[in-house]
Amino acid sequence: DIQMTQSPSSLSASVGDRVTITCRASQTISSFLNWYQKKPGKAPRLLISAASSLQSGVPSRFSGSESGPDFTLTISSLQPEDFATYYCLQSYTTPLTFGGGTKVEIK
Amino acid sequence: QVQLVESGGGVVQPGKSLRLSCAAAGFTFSNYAMYWVRQAPGKGLEWVAVISYDGSNRDYADSVRGRFTISRDNPKNTLYLQMNSLRGEDTAVYYCARDRTPARNYNYYGMDVWGQGATVTVSS
Repeated sequence: DIQMTQSPSSLSASVGDRVTITCRASQTISSFLNWYQKKPGKAPRLLISAASSLQSGVPSRFSGSESGPDFTLTISSLQPEDFATYYCLQSYTTPLTFGGGTKVEIK
Repeated sequence: QVQLVESGGGVVQPGKSLRLSCAAAGFTFSNYAMYWVRQAPGKGLEWVAVISYDGSNRDYADSVRGRFTISRDNPKNTLYLQMNSLRGEDTAVYYCARDRTPARNYNYYGMDVWGQGATVTVSS
């Protein structure tokens, strides 16, 4: 099975801060990597697909990139509505695997 | 609009069965692979099962293989999850979700549209 190691598991940041979250894949996954935002009581929301494609309707402050086995989600200027938990997902092969999540909290 | 609505959740005793349904609307259901994903209380997201657009290809997480069955009825635009031999660790919110690509193949691209979730509690 492919393991997705996500870091950090939590972070505290202020409005306006630049935030970076990373997922490392244990095997090659090509660009079969999506990023999701999850808020309590709500369904997950797809932010980024295929490592770097911004979904329609998602603010441009969100971006994704990849470098070898490392995939990065960046929020360029954190907004109040961005406080949530973020997950990566690899869909290169089954079992599909999520990262452990990164909880972004208000400093 | 594009919509997924789960039903069938509830409280069930360990060892019993439950079937979740997911009604799809607003898109051509038969063109998309579909998923079940769950989140246990205080835990992260966990992929449970996937079924191809035509129902011919299915796969499961090891934690549910042999106990859960994913199926679909394309004419009825409905996805199902039959859950047997339920355990306490199956307690979670279960989401149905659509593959993000209407590829009509046997590759999977992850989820874009999600339902609101159905709560399953396994407890005596």
